[in-house]
Amino acid sequence: DAGVTQSPTHLIKTRGQQVTLRCSPKSGHDTVSWYQQALGQGPQFIFQYYEEEERQRGNFPDRFSGHQFPNYSSELNVNALLLGDSALYLCASSRDRDIPTDTQYFGPGTRLTVL
Amino acid sequence: QQPVQSPQAVILREGEDAVINCSSSKALYSVHWYRQKHGEAPVFLMILLKGGEQKGHEKISASFNEKKQQSSLYLTASQLSYSGTYFCGTGPSNFGNEKLTFGTGTRLTIIP
Repeated sequence: DAGVTQSPTHLIKTRGQQVTLRCSPKSGHDTVSWYQQALGQGPQFIFQYYEEEERQRGNFPDRFSGHQFPNYSSELNVNALLLGDSALYLCASSRDRDIPTDTQYFGPGTRLTVL
Repeated sequence: QQPVQSPQAVILREGEDAVINCSSSKALYSVHWYRQKHGEAPVFLMILLKGGEQKGHEKISASFNEKKQQSSLYLTASQLSYSGTYFCGTGPSNFGNEKLTFGTGTRLTIIP
């Protein structure tokens, strides 16, 4: 049973560029959440997708956008990259309100470096 | 506001016990505990819900104090593999799949 997968593993971009990160959820999961983790900090919630729509959003600017596909995989897009966007981007998948104790399972992350 | 974890860091010898605390300024509905090793994804350890439901690994236990808005994670007879940074995440409802707000983490180092 494959867990959550993310691609690419590492990415280096320059300020002002745009980036797309990808996530495939764990088998049987239909909800995908994205988190940003700066060095030495806990993950911060960006947004969550369910049924191909953004359902919840954290305190991130509109430069951060996403998409969910019919097969439940998801993309995170970041436009006009800033140095402060350098972080580990984590994808977490879960099942929608099926069993209360169902939690979120994280992928290995994409390390984004903005120069 | 993010939950506050204590201690920030702790070093233990193999076999010793550890307690990691997580305090929230908001009412607690769900608390999720994860362990993250350097350069790896956070790994789920335990979820606790208001009302008493919980799910987690055998050798790890945790408490949920709704009145004090606190949760504690108990690691007994620690092993070298327990080393890593522990995060608590709090959720806005009794369902575990919603937006999580994470604390700043507790770095645990187990030495032989």
